[in-house]
Amino acid sequence: SQKIEQNSEALNIQEGKTATLTCNYTNYSPAYLQWYRQDPGRGPVFLLLIRENEKEKRKERLKVTFDTTLKQSLFHITASQPADSATYLCALGSQGNLIFGKGTKLSVKP
Amino acid sequence: NAGVMQNPRHLVRRRGQEARLRCSPMKGHSHVYWYRQLPEEGLKFMVYLQKENIIDESGMPKERFSAEFPKEGPSILRIQQVVRGDSAAYFCASSPETVTSSGNTIYFGEGSWLTVV
Repeated sequence: SQKIEQNSEALNIQEGKTATLTCNYTNYSPAYLQWYRQDPGRGPVFLLLIRENEKEKRKERLKVTFDTTLKQSLFHITASQPADSATYLCALGSQGNLIFGKGTKLSVKP
Repeated sequence: NAGVMQNPRHLVRRRGQEARLRCSPMKGHSHVYWYRQLPEEGLKFMVYLQKENIIDESGMPKERFSAEFPKEGPSILRIQQVVRGDSAAYFCASSPETVTSSGNTIYFGEGSWLTVV
């Protein structure tokens, strides 16, 4: 069955460093992959979408890579800030039926 | 999250009661999706609806759960005879059109937290 894993349940880093989150998937060949941010008690907020023919995508301090050979996506936040502390979710799928990972809880310490 | 409105935000029901969760999609969006997030679990797809049609209900439990998106009014997720295991956050999302194979974003609401006591 299709499986999506986010390697770390939690990641603690120092302010100013680059946070790198990993998303791996199996038994699936997605046309695209998405990253969302979720704060406690809130709904997921869309951050970035990367398509299978795109190796890398950037948005301000965020960068996503997508390696369909390794079946892996990396999500980077550069110059991290305490305000970046949240749970980050990766998602695969089409037609709105997205498969989500359990998320990685990022804590950025000042 | 602006625009997808869910209510109630918090709902407490006793075992055996019915829970009704409402979702008004973003303006101009005609496609609605419901997801459930159990404690310590990831978001799980439940159902995808367009106006007056259920497009994909592959994630819906076979019993007690139903969803609708009438021509007028919000989408409703209905859970009959709730049990403790139904306690979860239920998220609604919407999109302006069918999510294509090349990918479109869906926009989530803030969720409805159901507690069954």
